[in-house]
Amino acid sequence: GAVVSQHPSWVICKSGTSVKIECRSLDFQATTMFWYRQFPKQSLMLMATSNEGSKATYEQGVEKDKFLINHASLTLSTLTVTSAHPEDSSFYICSAIGLAVDTQYFGPGTRLTVL
Amino acid sequence: KNEVEQSPQNLTAQEGEFITINCSYSVGISALHWLQQHPGGGIVSLFMLSSGKKKHGRLIATINIQEKHSSLHITASHPRDSAVYICAVRFGGATNKLIFGTGTLLAVQP
Repeated sequence: GAVVSQHPSWVICKSGTSVKIECRSLDFQATTMFWYRQFPKQSLMLMATSNEGSKATYEQGVEKDKFLINHASLTLSTLTVTSAHPEDSSFYICSAIGLAVDTQYFGPGTRLTVL
Repeated sequence: KNEVEQSPQNLTAQEGEFITINCSYSVGISALHWLQQHPGGGIVSLFMLSSGKKKHGRLIATINIQEKHSSLHITASHPRDSAVYICAVRFGGATNKLIFGTGTLLAVQP
């Protein structure tokens, strides 16, 4: 089946630094990618939706200047957490839709810890 | 009130038991997903349904559009099935967003 990868799988950084997370669709063209965050024992929360070549659509309450999303190609989207703070520590998951729009694939997630 | 309700929230079973997890949603949908999340976080998409029934190995997923209800069944459960199972729906219309249930934590004991 189709595969979505994320890199890195985990990252620890100091407060105030920026962290970039990559999401790649390995064997299909991802027309739409979604970024989620998940706190312990909670469900996934959609942060933003990005379509290739256009600006991301952010959910209410998600700061677009803090969580920069770039979807420059049909196989790559990046999420940059700028000036990270400890409260940004979370599990970030990307997901992608291919040309068959009802088929959605999830990445393995990236665990971010901000000290 | 969550638009997607799952039950039970927690489930403990003995190895070999037949397991059912339920999902109910509030309005018409275009698709329903069953997802599996193991400790450590990675999510695996098990099924995508818009009608009827699907089977993959020991897993069976059914959906009743009229009753707005779906079930995930696991036959001959095994400790490696222990995970969180999440129901997610895409409602009709232009949106591609998924709305997630709160998940069911399954523990299968040997």
